[in-house]
Order: sequence, then C-alpha cells, then structure tokens
Amino acid sequence: QKEVEQDPGPLSVPEGAIVSLNCTYSNSAFQYFMWYRQYSRKGPELLMYTYSSGNKEDGRFTAQVDKSSKYISLFIRDSQPSDSATYLCAMSEGNYQLIWGAGTKLIIKP
Amino acid sequence: DGGITQSPKYLFRKEGQNVTLSCEQNLNHDAMYWYRQDPGQGLRLIYYSQIVNDFQKGDIAEGYSVSREKKESFPLTVTSAQKNPTAFYLCASNFRPQHFGDGTRLSIL
Repeated sequence: QKEVEQDPGPLSVPEGAIVSLNCTYSNSAFQYFMWYRQYSRKGPELLMYTYSSGNKEDGRFTAQVDKSSKYISLFIRDSQPSDSATYLCAMSEGNYQLIWGAGTKLIIKP
Repeated sequence: DGGITQSPKYLFRKEGQNVTLSCEQNLNHDAMYWYRQDPGQGLRLIYYSQIVNDFQKGDIAEGYSVSREKKESFPLTVTSAQKNPTAFYLCASNFRPQHFGDGTRLSIL
C-alpha cells in the first residue's frame, strides 16, 4: 500500500462546476500538506500549503485537512478551462522529504 | 525574476553515454532536490541536498550522481548504469514548500 493514495482520473467536469480532489494517507505523523498544479510539460506550481488540520481558502481554492480520517481535499469553485491540469498532493512529517500522490488529471469542459 | 532554471528542456542520450542535467536557482534556498516523474507514478526522489557540499540519496539514486559545489547549482548526471533513463526530470528548491523548475525531458536515441 502506498503512503499516499490519489485517484489518477481523469476527472471531467463542465465549466463552472465545483471540483473536489482528494488524497488519503496512512502515516499519522504527516503534519504539512500541499497541493500543486502541473500543466503538461511544466513543473508543478504550489497552490495551497497547510499545517495540521483545518481549512484554508485562497480565491477559488479551498484546502481541507482531516487528520482524524487521514484525508485531504482541494476544492475549486467556478472551475475554468484554464484549471485543466494534473493536481498533485504532497505531505511531510517535518523532515526534508515530501511524500507525493500520483496526481489527478482534471479536465474542465467549456 | 527569482526562480529555478533547468536546462536543456529536451535531451537525448546515446547508449553508454553519461548526460548531465543543469539546475540553477537564484532564490537563495539551501535545500535542493531532484525528482523523476514517470506517467502515472507521481514524483520519485533521486537525490537531495540540504547544504553546499552535502547531499543524500533518495529512493531511486541508483544510476544517478550529483554534486553541490555552489548554493545556486545542483547538477544531475544520468550515468550509463541507469538502464531506463527515459523520464521527465524535475529540480526543486526549498524545504517546505518546494518550488520547481520546468523540467528536462530525457529520451534514449
């Protein structure tokens, strides 16, 4: 079993829909949680960075962490075709390594 | 602009050849990382460096080598011992969160 599980998709939704992306993990020591967006042939770019449990909002993006369930989510409101990309979750205990999900490919249909 | 520059964007390796991928950052970060990305597998850590003149192996270091002589630079050599080098290679800096370059795509001729 992988330490971090993420559905590879693709997830296809119509423009304007609310998108929910998720990762589950097995290591209860993870404290730092990140979401990255990666366009084709580009490097990942940081979207959200949260510590411990709770919610964080930035524009159309909301990150949620539920440590009791070992589950993190990224919500995208009012989705746009430009949001079509692969979304990667990453997490850390606090050492120098990040543990990555495999990524979910998201397609927003105009 | 501050950032991470990876070069070249595309690279081809002949049989038995070593190739070196460049990574330069002007963000003044101490930590730097090299990842390999294959379709459907996410990012796998090859090597990382927390400080100049020091580096550690990641999960898939076999067939790769690195150096860290300057804070700004962390080149990766893919040696002929790496039998399946075709992949997208990503360099990152900073411990948390990490910031990435735009990658080098390596293929076999």
